[in-house]
Amino acid sequence: GAVVSQHPSRVICKSGTSVKIECRSLDFQATTMFWYRQFPKQSLMLMATSNEGSKATYEQGVEKDKFLINHASLTLSTLTVTSAHPEDSSFYICSAREFFGSGTQLSVL
Amino acid sequence: GNSVTQMEGPVTLSEEAFLTINCTYTATGYPSLFWYVQYPGEGLQLLLKATKADDKGSNKGFEATYRKETTSFHLEKGSVQVSDSAVYFCALSGGRDSGGYQKVTFGTGTKLQVIP
Repeated sequence: GAVVSQHPSRVICKSGTSVKIECRSLDFQATTMFWYRQFPKQSLMLMATSNEGSKATYEQGVEKDKFLINHASLTLSTLTVTSAHPEDSSFYICSAREFFGSGTQLSVL
Repeated sequence: GNSVTQMEGPVTLSEEAFLTINCTYTATGYPSLFWYVQYPGEGLQLLLKATKADDKGSNKGFEATYRKETTSFHLEKGSVQVSDSAVYFCALSGGRDSGGYQKVTFGTGTKLQVIP
């Protein structure tokens, strides 16, 4: 079946640095991808909609300058957490169609 | 807007017991309905889906039927195993409020624990 690949699966970084997370659709093209954030023992919260060739659409309360999204091709979307702080530590998951990546656990020290 | 309501957990069952996790939804139009499973520290795996009324999704012994008259999509399994222990999310996508994209709206998740 269709697969969405997400990388890295786990990242630890220092406060103030930036982290890039990649999301790829492996056997289909995706003009739209989605980025979610999940806190421990909670459901997924949609952060933004990534649109190929145009600006991402952010949900209310999500800082677009902090969470930069680039959808440069029909199979790749990236989420960059800029100037990361400990409160950005979370589990980030991308999706395309009804398929989800394996998630990225971000820990900011 | 779209919303999904599912029963709160945790649900604790003995091995081989019957499982039901209730899920109801609110949406305009004709959404697609899904059940996802999440094991600890992992992403979401699509368990099953149904795209129109009266469709039954099934996979690995799990089943759910799209009931438009009751706006429900309850998850069932006749005999659970210890390996089924995970968090289960009911979700929907599509419908008029989704802006034409395939944004997925999730329920809060139900933790299932199966004991030997």
